[in-house]
Amino acid sequence: GQNIDQPTEMTATEGAIVQINCTYQTSGFNGLFWYQQHAGEAPTFLSYNVLDGLEEKGRFSSFLSRSKGYSYLLLKELQMKDSASYLCGLKMDSNYQLIWGAGTKLIIKP
Amino acid sequence: EAQVTQNPRYLITVTGKKLTVTCSQNMNHEYMSWYRQDPGLGLRQIYYSMNVEVTDKGDVPEGYKVSRKEKRNFPLILESPSPNQTSLYFCASRQYWDSNQPQHFGDGTRLSIL
Repeated sequence: GQNIDQPTEMTATEGAIVQINCTYQTSGFNGLFWYQQHAGEAPTFLSYNVLDGLEEKGRFSSFLSRSKGYSYLLLKELQMKDSASYLCGLKMDSNYQLIWGAGTKLIIKP
Repeated sequence: EAQVTQNPRYLITVTGKKLTVTCSQNMNHEYMSWYRQDPGLGLRQIYYSMNVEVTDKGDVPEGYKVSRKEKRNFPLILESPSPNQTSLYFCASRQYWDSNQPQHFGDGTRLSIL
């Protein structure tokens, strides 16, 4: 299978930095997505990593290491509005479908 | 405004009463997909469509039907809903089936089957 594992919940402080990890057990994927989802709302796109390395986009960065089966989303200068779930998803080579982790609920405290 | 529109947003109904959740996108996307989202399980794909009149099963298709008669619309049909289909449903679209562009999601439909 293509298990995708993320921590269920994380807590961080406003203004701090947090790293949300995503590990997976497959090699047949085109790229890895990160989406943000506020409670009861639609997921919104954050990043897509195809190559190994770090992609920076403002306060958010995403990293991929195919050899280690590992990705992370780094959020800097945390704001209260960053309280949300963060979804990691793989786009599979075989059929171009997306498979998803269960998501990490991030709670930001003042 | 580019968007994916789902209706209804909320529905409470009873077991066995056929229902349809509509999904429409205005971006001329070829690829559309339906997901259900349940606590602790993440997004699971129900059905997808690579283009008009081309549909295929996702990971959890049992109890659902879809159709794609026109490019913009991709309705999800529950012929005989059961309580285990109580969930949050999302429709999504992207330009092409093999595109690396992100998917656009609708606002979700929360279904409760009693």
